[in-house]
Amino acid sequence: DTGVSQDPRHKITKRGQNVTFRCDPISEHNRLYWYRQTLGQGPEFLTYFQNEAQLEKSRLLSDRFSAERPKGSFSTLEIQRTEQGDSAMYLCASSLVGLAVNQETQYFGPGTRLLVL
Amino acid sequence: AQKVTQAQTEISVVEKEDVTLDCVYETRDTTYYLFWYKQPPSGELVFLIRRNSFDEQNEISGRYSWNFQKSTSSFNFTITASQVVDSAVYFCALSEAGEYGNKLVFGAGTILRVKS
Repeated sequence: DTGVSQDPRHKITKRGQNVTFRCDPISEHNRLYWYRQTLGQGPEFLTYFQNEAQLEKSRLLSDRFSAERPKGSFSTLEIQRTEQGDSAMYLCASSLVGLAVNQETQYFGPGTRLLVL
Repeated sequence: AQKVTQAQTEISVVEKEDVTLDCVYETRDTTYYLFWYKQPPSGELVFLIRRNSFDEQNEISGRYSWNFQKSTSSFNFTITASQVVDSAVYFCALSEAGEYGNKLVFGAGTILRVKS
């Protein structure tokens, strides 16, 4: 299967701990997005990479959140000093954009479900 | 600002019934893109369709069809002869043509339950 993969699928942590999630996009996809989804809601945009450059961040992304995509392939999302309000599903999506920007489609991974106790 | 409204929180139908999921959007941009995604219990969002704002043609794909009407800012999704496997949460989403990427704005989703 060559779809978007995320690891871990589930994470339980205690408040105050740091957690890191990984996303492996579809091979050769140059854009990578992170979204957060809370129960009963649609996903909300967090941040986005074009290759290795982080080009946009949502105001939802507090200082405790950091994302990287060091070589333009996989990406990591780290949450420091987790709070109970960080409990959510964290979704990663990737897309391939060339000259036809209006043809962009984001393909999502299975998500990482985080529970902060 | 962009906004997507899915007024139907949950719909229950019996297998083989037709069902329409409503989506109303708000945007100030003249160029935008509309999407539908399916989220089964496994959690992964599955892409169903993309429609560009300059293409108002309706589309049919098997049992699925989409009705895009710019005059009412709606992008409704119909499943014909529903099946139990159609049970999932369905999300409508909107993106504007951004300089640096097309982040998606999602509605709250509609839970579809198809009973046998």
